[in-house]
Amino acid sequence: GENVEQHPSTLSVQEGDSAVIKCTYSDSASNYFPWYKQELGKGPQLIIDIRSNVGEKKDQRIAVTLNKTAKHFSLHITETQPEDSAVYFCAASQYNNNDMRFGAGTRLTVKP
Amino acid sequence: KAGVTQTPRYLIKTRGQQVTLSCSPISGHRSVSWYQQTPGQGLQFLFEYFSETQRNKGNFPGRFSGRQFSNSRSEMNVSTLELGDSALYLCASSLAWGRTDTQYFGPGTRLTVL
Repeated sequence: GENVEQHPSTLSVQEGDSAVIKCTYSDSASNYFPWYKQELGKGPQLIIDIRSNVGEKKDQRIAVTLNKTAKHFSLHITETQPEDSAVYFCAASQYNNNDMRFGAGTRLTVKP
Repeated sequence: KAGVTQTPRYLIKTRGQQVTLSCSPISGHRSVSWYQQTPGQGLQFLFEYFSETQRNKGNFPGRFSGRQFSNSRSEMNVSTLELGDSALYLCASSLAWGRTDTQYFGPGTRLTVL
């Protein structure tokens, strides 16, 4: 089955700096890669996603890149703000399948 | 549009008891998936329901079961509770089954087993 690895497990940056979180997956059949942000006491919130027919996607300060050959995808957050502090999860799933496999999460802390 | 709602938000049970959790998907969404989140195992897929039928199942024992009603609302049941069942149970809804749709999560039900 699919195995998703996520690094780093914790990340601390200064406000205004960029943050990068990386994930690798094992199953070449996976073709949908969402990123979720989870704040304390809340459920995961989708922040951006990418499908296998696209190499990069941007939404304001957030971008995701996908390298299908190497089976890895990354989340990039620019101009970080204290409210970006949360746990971020990457996930992978296959076409016709809502069974998402999640990475272990990255706790991002943005210091003012 | 209202998001995914889950009830109750918190639950305390003792070993051996059973528990039922409820999930109401976003209006118009017909697929409901359940996940278990623990510090040790992270987010793990339990099962997915669409049109009142279980379409996909994760690697959990038969003590974990679910169902979906005609209005797409879903319940999950855990029987003979064990200490290790303490977790945040998350429900996610999506438009349909049989394609990769964006899943939207509810706030979760925090289950504590004593």
